[in-house]
Amino acid sequence: DQQVKQNSPSLSVQEGRISILNCDYTNSMFDYFLWYKKYPAEGPTFLISISSIKDKNEDGRFTVFLNKSAKHLSLHIVPSQPGDSAVYFCAARKTGSARQLTFGSGTQLTVLP
Amino acid sequence: SQTIHQWPATLVQPVGSPLSLECTVEGTSNPNLYWYRQAAGRGLQLLFYSVGIGQISSEVPQNLSASRPQDRQFILSSKKLLLSDSGFYLCASAALTEAFFGQGTRLTVV
Repeated sequence: DQQVKQNSPSLSVQEGRISILNCDYTNSMFDYFLWYKKYPAEGPTFLISISSIKDKNEDGRFTVFLNKSAKHLSLHIVPSQPGDSAVYFCAARKTGSARQLTFGSGTQLTVLP
Repeated sequence: SQTIHQWPATLVQPVGSPLSLECTVEGTSNPNLYWYRQAAGRGLQLLFYSVGIGQISSEVPQNLSASRPQDRQFILSSKKLLLSDSGFYLCASAALTEAFFGQGTRLTVV
């Protein structure tokens, strides 16, 4: 049972345009959401996060939107750059002391020059 | 911020051989530690987590085990590897608002 879903395995965007990566979740106990970026043969690196008490968080070119009623979040990258090409993972965390993250299956973003 | 050291970076092991992957953490004390696996073309699956020395929780039944002999050391082991154990293994440590990952170990079981 996948509690965090990224239904698009891949996305191609032209350089300079907006990239929108989507993520859906099923568990209403998730209270914190994160986006990670991953290059091949490397560990994921943290990009941006959002608490369930907010609906938007912005950091430079990256903005994360959370729609709690729809159990949906999205990551917007504007403008997209070729260096943004990577696999993007959505992750969610439940309230609790272990703070373990549940990850989606990832979306491969390719930014075309 | 925390730094996660994970080794080796790559490993090729025959079926039936033992496994030991080690992870150490710098820059924090009493961290929550995690082992994840990324199988080919798939997301990150949580295998084990630990909230303290000697405390291990398993998320999925499997051929692997984990141990935490010291506060900042987390070890992933197997007595006999299976072909299905091949994958990219990641150690992680959780801070209050994010998790930090090591560089990963690419394990190929042949």
